[in-house]
Amino acid sequence: DAGVIQSPRHEVTEMGQEVTLRCKPISGHNSLFWYRQTMMRGLELLIYFNNNVPIDDSGMPEDRFSAKMPNASFSTLKIQPSEPRDSAVYFCASSVQGRETQYFGPGTRLLVL
Amino acid sequence: KQEVTQIPAALSVPEGENLVLNCSFTDSAIYNLQWFRQDPGKGLTSLLLIQSSQREQTSGRLNASLDKSSGRSTLYIAASQPGDSATYLCAVRDTGRRALTFGSGTRLQVQP
Repeated sequence: DAGVIQSPRHEVTEMGQEVTLRCKPISGHNSLFWYRQTMMRGLELLIYFNNNVPIDDSGMPEDRFSAKMPNASFSTLKIQPSEPRDSAVYFCASSVQGRETQYFGPGTRLLVL
Repeated sequence: KQEVTQIPAALSVPEGENLVLNCSFTDSAIYNLQWFRQDPGKGLTSLLLIQSSQREQTSGRLNASLDKSSGRSTLYIAASQPGDSATYLCAVRDTGRRALTFGSGTRLQVQP
């Protein structure tokens, strides 16, 4: 299996631009998680989906952030408009509901200038 | 709100040493605790998972213990190797929640 796939791996954009991060979970996994990692705040859960339905989005920082999972094999995290403080590494992880182990993707390193 | 603390933040040891990484959490009502490894520029890899009813888990040279009542876990690495160099993160899942709360990690460097 290819594991969790994230794209792009690196993104540099200017403040105010829209940013879309993509994730393809492991086939057969029905839970998907978006995390953000910064030096200041460490690794934080933003949102997670079960069977394509958002279950807990309490970690989404503000309305500029949105996430969708239109089908079992694809999810997006969108930031509009982006700000410099959004600069971080964004990880996607997937798991099988009922099993605890989460499998992480390689992350997207976002820099907002 | 659950808070997870890891000590030390960084550790450098010579190859072959046995070492202990510490993790503490503030709310003992946890469902499980996991230890992850993160290599530079990479995602996280799950190493060990301890359910709240368990005391320890072992995998190869790694042993993780859990003392839920005192809010502590330790990761023991035996006979450390340069390939063990990475950041080790502790994460807690609270009862009734799916989300993981992560510690800030311990950056380990094993000198050859």
